[in-house]
Amino acid sequence: KAGVTQTPRYLIKTRGQQVTLSCSPISGHRSVSWYQQTPGQGLQFLFEYFSETQRNKGNFPGRFSGRQFSNSRSEMNVSTLELGDSALYLCASSLATGIQEAFFGQGTRLTVV
Amino acid sequence: AQTVTQSQPEMSVQEAETVTLSCTYDTSESDYYLFWYKQPPSRQMILVIRQEAYKQQNATENRFSVNFQKAAKSFSLKISDSQLGDAAMYFCAYRSVARDDKIIFGKGTRLHILP
Repeated sequence: KAGVTQTPRYLIKTRGQQVTLSCSPISGHRSVSWYQQTPGQGLQFLFEYFSETQRNKGNFPGRFSGRQFSNSRSEMNVSTLELGDSALYLCASSLATGIQEAFFGQGTRLTVV
Repeated sequence: AQTVTQSQPEMSVQEAETVTLSCTYDTSESDYYLFWYKQPPSRQMILVIRQEAYKQQNATENRFSVNFQKAAKSFSLKISDSQLGDAAMYFCAYRSVARDDKIIFGKGTRLHILP
C-alpha cells in the first residue's frame, strides 16, 4: 500500500511569490493534516481537512490556505511568501477523524529567498 | 491548552545499550492518545509507538516500550538494544480524542548511537 506522497520534495521561491504544495494521502484515508516544521518553532499544526471540509485551523495568518478534493488529495497554498515561511511542510493522513494514528509524508522543503 | 515537553534536546547511547527518552505533557482531558514518532535524516516521520490514555498497561513494540504515568503526566520511551538505525530525532506527541485531530508535538530529542 502506497504511503503519503508529497510533491514537490524541494522548492525554492522568492519573497512575495506564492506556492502550492500537494499531498496525496494513503488510499482510503479521508483526513489530511498539514504541519510546518522549523528549527525554532518545531512542528506546528496548520490545518486539517476531512471530506473536503476544513475542520481545524492552527494559528497561522490568512496567507496560508488549503483545500481538499473529492479524492482526498489536499493542497496547501502560501501567498505573498516571506523569508520566515522557509520550512519543512509535512502532510499527515488518517483513516478518519478521531482515529488515533496519523501517517506522514516525507515533506516538502520550502526555501524562500 | 495542551503542551508537550521534552527536556532532553540531545542524547547519546552506546550501540546495544538501553536509553530512555523523557516526555511530560499537560492536559485537562482524561481521554487522549500519546505517541512517539521518529524522524530520521530522510525526514519521514515514522510512528514508533502509541499509548491510549485509558489503558493502564504500557505499550510495547519490539525493542521499544513506554513508561506511561497518567497521574504524573509522564510518557517516556525506552529503547533496548540500541542499533545504529535508531539514530534520529524523536518526538513525543499528544492527540485529543474528543476535541480535534491536531497532534501536538514536543520539541524533539536528537538521539545519537555510538558504535
